[in-house]
Amino acid sequence: ETGVTQTPRHLVMGMTNKKSLKCEQHLGHNAMYWYKQSAKKPLELMFVYNFKEQTENNSVPSRFSPECPNSSHLFLHLHTLQPEDSALYLCASSQDLADYNEQFFGPGTRLTVL
Amino acid sequence: AQSVTQLDSQVPVFEEAPVELRCNYSSSVSVYLFWYVQYPNQGLQLLLKYLSGSTLVKGINGFEAEFNKSQTSFHLRKPSVHISDTAEYFCAVSDRLRDTGFQKLVFGTGTRLLVSP
Repeated sequence: ETGVTQTPRHLVMGMTNKKSLKCEQHLGHNAMYWYKQSAKKPLELMFVYNFKEQTENNSVPSRFSPECPNSSHLFLHLHTLQPEDSALYLCASSQDLADYNEQFFGPGTRLTVL
Repeated sequence: AQSVTQLDSQVPVFEEAPVELRCNYSSSVSVYLFWYVQYPNQGLQLLLKYLSGSTLVKGINGFEAEFNKSQTSFHLRKPSVHISDTAEYFCAVSDRLRDTGFQKLVFGTGTRLLVSP
């Protein structure tokens, strides 16, 4: 595997379910990000991790819970979601948090909440 | 805080025609600017970036962008598009996280480029 991978690619869940999204980067990067992409809206930054430490929680509801066990893996745990949480969830990584670094994105998980 | 405006939500164009996708950002202080492309069912891929130096930046797939500080713009251009260029294009500017001062990317709402034969 190369680059940034995300599983699953598609997920349908009920409002009472608990599920997790997984992201893995094979680039040796130290920073990882979760974004939410909804139709007609700019990408919303949700969480930022740098060297496994969370550096940003962009006012995300507690029904989204991130986990970063090491610099290569990032999870997003989901519970009691709402239909408006349906979106494409993108994971990204960068070398570190210097502002000239590009971010490398995974293909995303398309989440549908019923 | 920085913001990015992509005024055109959709740009239809015929194959082999030139195209320009517009991007304006909010602040005239030193910025780093990026263009990303998203093909259907895929994540975002970097097309090009401006960090410093020459205001004309060349990227992949024949795209280029011009940084204009006085107009706070970073428009994306291609002299001759292909059907395969049909995708969503996102302009982004680097900004600082509120608490830590570290980098975050602020994205525009995207422009859908539709190339037809």
